[in-house]
Amino acid sequence: AQSVAQPEDQVNVAEGNPLTVKCTYSVSGNPYLFWYVQYPNRGLQFLLKYITGDNLVKGSYGFEAEFNKSQTSFHLKKPSALVSDSALYFCAVRDKGSARQLTFGSGTQLTVLP
Amino acid sequence: EAGVTQFPSHSVIEKGQTVTLRCDPISGHDNLYWYRRVMGKEIKFLLHFVKESKQDESGMPNNRFLAERTGGTYSTLKVQPAELEDSGVYFCASSQGGDRGNTEAFFGQGTRLTVV
Repeated sequence: AQSVAQPEDQVNVAEGNPLTVKCTYSVSGNPYLFWYVQYPNRGLQFLLKYITGDNLVKGSYGFEAEFNKSQTSFHLKKPSALVSDSALYFCAVRDKGSARQLTFGSGTQLTVLP
Repeated sequence: EAGVTQFPSHSVIEKGQTVTLRCDPISGHDNLYWYRRVMGKEIKFLLHFVKESKQDESGMPNNRFLAERTGGTYSTLKVQPAELEDSGVYFCASSQGGDRGNTEAFFGQGTRLTVV
């Protein structure tokens, strides 16, 4: 069975500082990894994904994530946080060899303080 | 291009009543998924359609939940009779056909269901 852990329910960061939202995963095979963001009163929006190749993937709004196979992690990062980045972030995984549905983490509420 | 749309955005019903949620996927997307987030926990998979066929319904919690996708277009999720623990946000997502797992799914804004 596959699983995702987001160890922090809440992350606070000052505007202009770098941010990291942590994610670790467990799958039986090789993973496809995704980050989604949910702004207030909005649906989930796709940010970025890791499929294969370069471990550092870049996505929307200046976000990036680094796939680390040995640590089974896929942390989301941004060099300089904006107040508008404040939202709920979800990490998700699919096992390449299994069913098509996503397995999500419990979400991390990011608050960027002005 | 229109995104995934869900109706209604909010629903408040009494325990024992019936509620039907609707999802219109992105036009041409063969894959349609239903997910649910309960009490601020993780988003959990309910079921997966490929066109009009149920590909995987392993996440459906019990037989009070019935999903359909007539004609392979929009989908409905009916809860009958609703219980208090069914409260949560129900998300629908769609992705292109031939998805080998590496394609991102596009999500709707969700339906917030409150059972009182």
